[in-house]
Amino acid sequence: GESVGLHLPTLSVQEGDNSIINCAYSNSASDYFIWYKQESGKGPQFIIDIRSNMDKRQGQRVTVLLNKTVKHLSLQIAATQPGDSAVYFCAENWAGGGNKLTFGTGTQLKVEL
Amino acid sequence: KAGVTQTPRYLIKTRGQQVTLSCSPISGHRSVSWYQQTPGQGLQFLFEYFSETQRNKGNFPGRFSGRQFSNSRSEMNVSTLELGDSALYLCASTPTGGVGEKLFFGSGTQLSVL
Repeated sequence: GESVGLHLPTLSVQEGDNSIINCAYSNSASDYFIWYKQESGKGPQFIIDIRSNMDKRQGQRVTVLLNKTVKHLSLQIAATQPGDSAVYFCAENWAGGGNKLTFGTGTQLKVEL
Repeated sequence: KAGVTQTPRYLIKTRGQQVTLSCSPISGHRSVSWYQQTPGQGLQFLFEYFSETQRNKGNFPGRFSGRQFSNSRSEMNVSTLELGDSALYLCASTPTGGVGEKLFFGSGTQLSVL
């Protein structure tokens, strides 16, 4: 039968605007979360991470927010640039699972000039 | 410091054949993980190796196997290829594979099964 690909949510933003990418994670026992960026033809690139004992962490132009109550993670990108166009994945891990990441389905970010 | 290196970059095989993919981790990294990425299933964990031992395994059939050498380089093998094995296979490495260590990914091997 025909293979149906995952429908990636798409977020389109204007250059210079702030972007917010959301992710719902599945395991309430997860204690480590990461955001990755994947450009076409490349492997995922680490952006920022956060542990479950924190609810916010900031990097350069990026902020990750964690809401454990509703199992929600978000990535905020300030002053979005054309080079930010990519697919963004959240991933979760928990101490009992070893070094095994469970990835979300991804969000396609398109930056319009 | 060189990143994670995967070879070959592209592969075309036919059903029933087998294939071996190679991964060289970042120097000093001892944990190597493999992931399969497809449009239908997204990114899925295959297995992880540390000190030449498989330490963790995902939900894939036994046709998927791997190994790690004493220099931490890793190979994965897929036997009796099926059309559904067409995917981007990604390798990632970390220093020890502990939770909280950042996984650094290679660019992947794009496998097409005809």
